[in-house]
Amino acid sequence: DTAVSQTPKYLVTQMGNDKSIKCEQNLGHDTMYWYKQDSKKFLKIMFSYNNKELIINETVPNRFSPKSPDKAHLNLHINSLELGDSAVYFCASSQSVSNQPQHFGDGTRLSIL
Amino acid sequence: AQSVAQPEDQVNVAEGNPLTVKCTYSVSGNPYLFWYVQYPNRGLQFLLKYITGDNLVKGSYGFEAEFNKSQTSFHLKKPSALVSDSALYFCAVRDPYNFNKFYFGSGTKLNVKP
Repeated sequence: DTAVSQTPKYLVTQMGNDKSIKCEQNLGHDTMYWYKQDSKKFLKIMFSYNNKELIINETVPNRFSPKSPDKAHLNLHINSLELGDSAVYFCASSQSVSNQPQHFGDGTRLSIL
Repeated sequence: AQSVAQPEDQVNVAEGNPLTVKCTYSVSGNPYLFWYVQYPNRGLQFLLKYITGDNLVKGSYGFEAEFNKSQTSFHLKKPSALVSDSALYFCAVRDPYNFNKFYFGSGTKLNVKP
């Protein structure tokens, strides 16, 4: 059973379009995250939700809007896509205790034409 | 602010030789340290962690890491490298004052040659 699953795996779209990425975890974790990995493989935290509440909101353009309908789901909607949005977006989850690691999905590769 | 540094972009080793991937940390408070591995087109996978206790931590796939408080390091090691260990490795630290926040290093690409 996949622990953290994201859809779609690949997303190719035109500049200016709006798109969404979905994430679901079946681990019973209370915290979920969105990360952006650029072409140099740097991982940058974007958002984090704990029990559906937004707790981390790094410097991200407001074209990016996360939504957590319940603690097992965290979706990411992106408006007016730009060339610089091309990257791999990873969803992750964890339990908010010190000794628990994060679990990552396999990523969504977003390519803007 | 908390941070980790991985000073090497790339490490090359021959199969069968020992490998070390370096990580240093800067944390105010107790460090909660993690290593992850990323294979091509996959997400990060947890390898091992240091929370407290023994300085030598054993993890998945024969990897281990040594926590050194005086040198603020948490280097990843393996006694005998396999070609299949070739991947991207990330060190991470959890914020001891905000368990929801993790800080990742820039990653080290490990190349194991046959």
